[in-house]
Amino acid sequence: DAGVIQSPRHEVTEMGQEVTLRCKPISGHDYLFWYRQTMMRGLELLIYFNNNVPIDDSGMPEDRFSAKMPNASFSTLKIQPSEPRDSAVYFCASSNGASPGSEQFFGPGTRLTVL
Amino acid sequence: AQSVTQLGSHVSVSEGALVLLRCNYSSSVPPYLFWYVQYPNQGLQLLLKYTSAATLVKGINGFEAEFKKSETSFHLTKPSAHMSDAAEYFCAVSVQGSGSRLTFGEGTQLTVNP
Repeated sequence: DAGVIQSPRHEVTEMGQEVTLRCKPISGHDYLFWYRQTMMRGLELLIYFNNNVPIDDSGMPEDRFSAKMPNASFSTLKIQPSEPRDSAVYFCASSNGASPGSEQFFGPGTRLTVL
Repeated sequence: AQSVTQLGSHVSVSEGALVLLRCNYSSSVPPYLFWYVQYPNQGLQLLLKYTSAATLVKGINGFEAEFKKSETSFHLTKPSAHMSDAAEYFCAVSVQGSGSRLTFGEGTQLTVNP
C-alpha cells in the first residue's frame, strides 16, 4: 500500500485566499484524522471521521475551517478565507478499527504558508 | 479526560549513550500508550505501543518502553544512541470508548552529538 497520501506537499498563498488540502487514507481504514502542527501549539487534532461521518470537530479553530469526507478514499480540509496565523503543517492520518490500540498511520503533511 | 506529559522538550545525548525520554500519563481508566517518532519534514511513525499485554514493550530501531502503573509512566529508552535517532518523539494515550483517537504530548526533541 502507498500509505496515506496528502496533496499538495507545500502550499503558499496570500491572506484571504481559499486553501484546500487533500488526503487519501489507506484503503480499508475506517477512521480519518486531521491534525495541525505548529511550534507554539504542538500537534492539535482538528477533526476526525468514522466511516465518512464527522465524529468530533471540536478542534476546528473557527468557522473558516471546514472538512469533508465524501467517500472512503478522499477527504478535504478547507480554509476560507486564509489568514497568516493558519500557517502550519497539516497532517492527515488514518486507522483501522475502533480499538483504542489501533495504530494511526500519518501522511507526510502539507506545509501551508499564508502571506 | 486522559492526558500525557512529556518531561523535557529537548534532550541531548552523545552517540552511544543511553537515551531516556520521559512520559507520564493521566487516565481514570486503563490506558493504551504509544510512542511516535517524527523525522524532519516527515509525518509521525509508530515506534511502539502498550495495549495491556506485556508491560515491557519493544519497538523498532532498538527502542523499548516500560509501562509502570504505580508511577503512571511510560518512559522510552534505548541503550545506545545513534546519530540517526535525532528526531522529535511524541508520547500519546488512548482509552476504551474513544475509538482510535489519540491525545498527544508536547513532544521531545532528541539531539545526538557525535
